[in-house]
Amino acid sequence: GESVGLHLPTLSVQEGDNSIINCAYSNSASDYFIWYKQESGKGPQFIIDIRSNMDKRQGQRVTVLLNKTVKHLSLQIAATQPGDSAVYFCAEKVAAGNKLTFGGGTRVLVKP
Amino acid sequence: DTEVTQTPKHLVMGMTNKKSLKCEQHMGHRAMYWYKQKAKKPPELMFVYSYEKLSINESVPSRFSPECPNSSLLNLHLHALQPEDSALYLCASSQVHLVPGAYEQYFGPGTRLTVT
Repeated sequence: GESVGLHLPTLSVQEGDNSIINCAYSNSASDYFIWYKQESGKGPQFIIDIRSNMDKRQGQRVTVLLNKTVKHLSLQIAATQPGDSAVYFCAEKVAAGNKLTFGGGTRVLVKP
Repeated sequence: DTEVTQTPKHLVMGMTNKKSLKCEQHMGHRAMYWYKQKAKKPPELMFVYSYEKLSINESVPSRFSPECPNSSLLNLHLHALQPEDSALYLCASSQVHLVPGAYEQYFGPGTRLTVT
């Protein structure tokens, strides 16, 4: 389940189960969204992106869903593996310019 | 080659020191970025360079001075830092998109900076 407190929200998931990570974005003018994965001691790594003219995009074991009505983004990871343990950030970009704004992040812990 | 490299990996400096962080990419990207990341927080944008010119400065204190000597290199010069500046400093690069659309920023591994 999820927990929110003084630390990053944490999602604990059993190995092999599906994970769903949620993100509420702030700007209705944002036209592009990215999910990044950050492992301990490393920089953020691109997972998947989606443009605002789409509501779903699938990659390898990952799916991103976009609901512009409620400004909500989610990342679904199928058959979660120990290597998926990391912090996941969503990021949004407003139409003009190169600036990405990151969400707060969710830590995913995969239990064997 | 989709790699962004950063040096050094770790840096400890005193408040009176001057040091520089370096970033390099060979993907032909003409936009380069500096981010600051505190523990358990998302990356926060500091500077953006487009075509080797500073295009965004997110009201960063002048003790941080960016430099983009060419299209592959990005530096961050540090002087008279404070202990609260201790953080992970991330460099990223991307294509420059002047019209709305998709783009991806590639991140380096970061420099872990400690100011004593």
